Amino acid sequence: DAKTTQPPSMDCAEGRAANLPCNHSTISGNEYVYWYRQIHSQGPQYIIHGLKNNETNEMASLIITEDRKSSTLILPHATLRDTAVYYCIVNNQGGSEKLVFGKGTKLTVNP
Amino acid sequence: DAGVTQSPTHLIKTRGQQVTLRCSPKSGHDTVSWYQQALGQGPQFIFQYYEEEERQRGNFPDRFSGHQFPNYSSELNVNALLLGDSALYLCASSPEIRQNLYGYTFGSGTRLTVV
Repeated sequence: DAKTTQPPSMDCAEGRAANLPCNHSTISGNEYVYWYRQIHSQGPQYIIHGLKNNETNEMASLIITEDRKSSTLILPHATLRDTAVYYCIVNNQGGSEKLVFGKGTKLTVNP
Repeated sequence: DAGVTQSPTHLIKTRGQQVTLRCSPKSGHDTVSWYQQALGQGPQFIFQYYEEEERQRGNFPDRFSGHQFPNYSSELNVNALLLGDSALYLCASSPEIRQNLYGYTFGSGTRLTVV
């Protein structure tokens, strides 16, 4: 079973920030938080990951709470092409652990 | 730089038949994982191959088997197909040691329909 909880759907206006929450209250000390997204009819795409510090890359920012029990993925200026299902996953450090997907959040960016 | 390539993109099979799906990992990647994604669900882990050996396996029956070749490409075989095997089959690759630095790279999948 997935170790994360996400809202099933969210809407966002084009050009505005999209803030996608994820609850992972049972995360253990050596587990990272990963975010992937899946655009319709494509495979999942890696977005970003973090352990306990906030992270930013060219796609998004990841904010992890101090107790690491929840996180927020931020798309600073959402576009129509960001419409997708977003998956939050916890995954162990090192090696190549399997990914356990939940149902994710369907983000719809509206014009 | 080619990413993960999967073939075929679509496939229709009859119940009871056997099917083979193929995957070529991203250049520089040596670990291949397979996932099954039913309509409306998140992907479910089937198994992972590294150094031509099955390293991890999810909760799938023995009808699902695989193989990894010396060039790191991989095949997924499903025997005695059931209607419930209809799904999108995804292949994901990663460099074994550095998975946590870059995440997995997924292919676009093979859509299998069993009739």
